[in-house]
Amino acid sequence: GAGVSQSPSNKVTEKGKDVELRCDPISGHTALYWYRQRLGQGLEFLIYFQGNSAPDKSGLPSDRFSAERTGESVSTLTIQRTQQEDSAVYLCASSLGGAGYGYTFGSGTRLTVV
Amino acid sequence: KQEVTQIPAALSVPEGENLVLNCSFTDSAIYNLQWFRQDPGKGLTSLLLIQSSQREQTSGRLNASLDKSSGRSTLYIAASQPGDSATYLCAEFQGGSEKLVFGKGTKLTVNP
Repeated sequence: GAGVSQSPSNKVTEKGKDVELRCDPISGHTALYWYRQRLGQGLEFLIYFQGNSAPDKSGLPSDRFSAERTGESVSTLTIQRTQQEDSAVYLCASSLGGAGYGYTFGSGTRLTVV
Repeated sequence: KQEVTQIPAALSVPEGENLVLNCSFTDSAIYNLQWFRQDPGKGLTSLLLIQSSQREQTSGRLNASLDKSSGRSTLYIAASQPGDSATYLCAEFQGGSEKLVFGKGTKLTVNP
């Protein structure tokens, strides 16, 4: 597609429920990243996928967080047993594959845990 | 640990003024640096990408510079307009890493 697409744009969920966030990267972009932005805070790295290599999961805050990507296409970020501190905007970005290409971000999913 | 610092945290200027936003980073092994704009409730829009071998990049009224030796980058906005009001973020790629490390941003308000 023309840009990075994320869905849903907004999600309100009850504490303890599982949620799944989706990211469609730009076609041909081999690298895909998830970031989290809490209210008033900077962006925190969560996870990075590059082609068929093992993902870099070093930013995932707990084992309640997981992400998958099928080949070089769609990625899903799953948060199990959501907590109020998980409330944030979750941003996805894709890149042609090298650090030199820069990132293109989606519009994000605003998650609110009540 | 890589750190990216942006000063000031907020800036308010009258329309038409030229302004400079500052970004400093601790890692001299920077690979490249990217400036973004974020509008309220929206994602990030890439403005300029500066490779480590470059000293500056220009796009329209925007000019970004990179000084690796001093660990600084600046974003210059000429003839500011109310539509420039947004939060401006800088982010660096460290050499050998694929992760962008972000500063907390400068919130710019351009008053008509």
